[in-house]
Amino acid sequence: AQKITQTQPGMFVQEKEAVTLDCTYDTSDPSYGLFWYKQPSSGEMIFLIYQGSYDQQNATEGRYSLNFQKARKSANLVISASQLGDSAMYFCAMRGFMTTDSWGKLQFGAGTQVVVTP
Amino acid sequence: GAGVSQSPSNKVTEKGKDVELRCDPISGHTALYWYRQRLGQGLEFLIYFQGNSAPDKSGLPSDRFSAERTGESVSTLTIQRTQQEDSAVYLCASSGSGRTYNEQFFGPGTRLTVL
Repeated sequence: AQKITQTQPGMFVQEKEAVTLDCTYDTSDPSYGLFWYKQPSSGEMIFLIYQGSYDQQNATEGRYSLNFQKARKSANLVISASQLGDSAMYFCAMRGFMTTDSWGKLQFGAGTQVVVTP
Repeated sequence: GAGVSQSPSNKVTEKGKDVELRCDPISGHTALYWYRQRLGQGLEFLIYFQGNSAPDKSGLPSDRFSAERTGESVSTLTIQRTQQEDSAVYLCASSGSGRTYNEQFFGPGTRLTVL
């Protein structure tokens, strides 16, 4: 079974500052992937960044970086230089690559609402 | 179109009625997924289609829910005898193949309201 936990229901961050969104996970699958999605108030789900469980380096995509600590089972998202347009709900998600019950489908956390203030 | 499309965008129905929700995946994507998102919550997996394989229906909450997919194209999610707790946004996603991972691209969702 898989489980994703996001313990921060909401956060305020000032424009141009960095913010870290926490995500911890649990899985029995030896090979898995971790994803972060952004959901603005419009409702669309926007893929941000991916980290594979066997990737040697932490993933980065522009202003997004993933602080992956495998032993601690955490995959925190760091947004640098926050912008007003970053205000949205952020979801951490995981899928397995080897066990049948985790293959394919994404397991999502409850999300963290980020509000960027001027 | 370039992205995943879903129809209708909004659906209001009466308790006990059947509804059909449609999803058009990105052309060429072999995998298609349905999720449900209740207000203020994360996404719950419902069902997953991969090519011609038997679908993974492990997330369907009851036998009132069913889904079909024609080949590698359109999918329809059907909810029979709708209940008020079925009110949610139903999101469809598709993904390709051939990479180590394949991110899922989501449609805009169908907002279902059961009165």
